[in-house]
Amino acid sequence: DGGITQSPKYLFRKEGQNVTLSCEQNLNHDAMYWYRQDPGQGLRLIYYSQIVNDFQKGDIAEGYSVSREKKESFPLTVTSAQKNPTAFYLCASSIKGGSNQPQHFGDGTRLSIL
Amino acid sequence: GQQVMQIPQYQHVQEGEDFTTYCNSSTTLSNIQWYKQRPGGHPVFLIQLVKSGEVKKQKRLTFQFGEAKKNSSLHITATQTTDVGTYFCAGSSNDYKLSFGAGTTVTVRA
Repeated sequence: DGGITQSPKYLFRKEGQNVTLSCEQNLNHDAMYWYRQDPGQGLRLIYYSQIVNDFQKGDIAEGYSVSREKKESFPLTVTSAQKNPTAFYLCASSIKGGSNQPQHFGDGTRLSIL
Repeated sequence: GQQVMQIPQYQHVQEGEDFTTYCNSSTTLSNIQWYKQRPGGHPVFLIQLVKSGEVKKQKRLTFQFGEAKKNSSLHITATQTTDVGTYFCAGSSNDYKLSFGAGTTVTVRA
């Protein structure tokens, strides 16, 4: 089945530690996205990539980093500079970039601070 | 930056009743999308509206885009327990990024 796989489902981070969230898609989509979801708030865009080897900052990129070395993979690193990382992280993809493209989401990773 | 506001934040509905959730933007939108997120799940794309005044229906769900392309609504008739979840609208005015509303969380009383 085609889809988006996020791992792990749950992740715990210690103070001062960087952690990496995995996102893999086999939909052959060009564009990929990372969102953060907090209770009572909508999805906020962290980073997006419209094509391999290229990515742009979203609305809340500070404290995060990404790479897009392969079309199917878009890992997100939550660095120690992100002071409030506890949240639900969602990865999404679309056939191509652009706001008029439907986005397909993974099941998410829930990150907590130890 | 662009903001998309959604009301109400919570909607408690008696099974069989109708309800509407609204989405408003301070800027003109090029398009608006609606997503549904079931409890414990991930958002799933429902529909996209692009034309002024556009109305689209999916069974008991009716989606509308305002004439000025600054607002949208989702109306559900004869609510069922399967309608439980959070409904998000997401709009864009720059063709690059979607801005999501905070969502309307729907609970249904049987």
